Amino acid sequence: KAGVTQTPRYLIKTRGQQVTLSCSPISGHRSVSWYQQTPGQGLQFLFEYFSETQRNKGNFPGRFSGRQFSNSRSEMNVSTLELGDSALYLCASSLDPRGDTEAFFGQGTRLTVV
Amino acid sequence: GESVGLHLPTLSVQEGDNSIINCAYSNSASDYFIWYKQESGKGPQFIIDIRSNMDKRQGQRVTVLLNKTVKHLSLQIAATQPGDSAVYFCAVWRAGGGNKLTFGTGTQLKVEL
Repeated sequence: KAGVTQTPRYLIKTRGQQVTLSCSPISGHRSVSWYQQTPGQGLQFLFEYFSETQRNKGNFPGRFSGRQFSNSRSEMNVSTLELGDSALYLCASSLDPRGDTEAFFGQGTRLTVV
Repeated sequence: GESVGLHLPTLSVQEGDNSIINCAYSNSASDYFIWYKQESGKGPQFIIDIRSNMDKRQGQRVTVLLNKTVKHLSLQIAATQPGDSAVYFCAVWRAGGGNKLTFGTGTQLKVEL
């Protein structure tokens, strides 16, 4: 069974640009969550999508957005990039639609903003 | 809101010794407390969880202890091996909150040969 796949693995962008990251969950998993990981702030929850609807949202500015498609694949978008957006962005999928302690994480997309 | 913090950023142990990683949390309303392991270049991986109405749970070579009185959680790894070298995160989860996890800052476990 394939794991969670995130693309691309690495990305370099310039301040002011926008970026789109992609996540394919484990087959059958309908919940997809996104996290930002930085050395200073650790792992922070961005948002969760379930059945194409945003179900939870963390404390990030509106420049961070996401969506989920009917096949459960998800994308997150960051507009007007800032240097502080440099981070590892992790996607996690979960099986239980009610919520689950066991999330399956992808390897992440390393975003560098210069 | 919830906050979760680990006591030590780095822990070094000898191979074969037992490791204990500690974590403190603030929100008593959390339903589950969880430990994740993150190896270099990989995403976090679930290790074990414990429900809030329990005080101890054992897995394979790992034991999680929960002390709700002082809001403290610990992960014990028996006979630590080189493959245990990773960053360990504690996290909290609340029922009804979907799949949102609140993570602590992480402890780097280094296993010395």
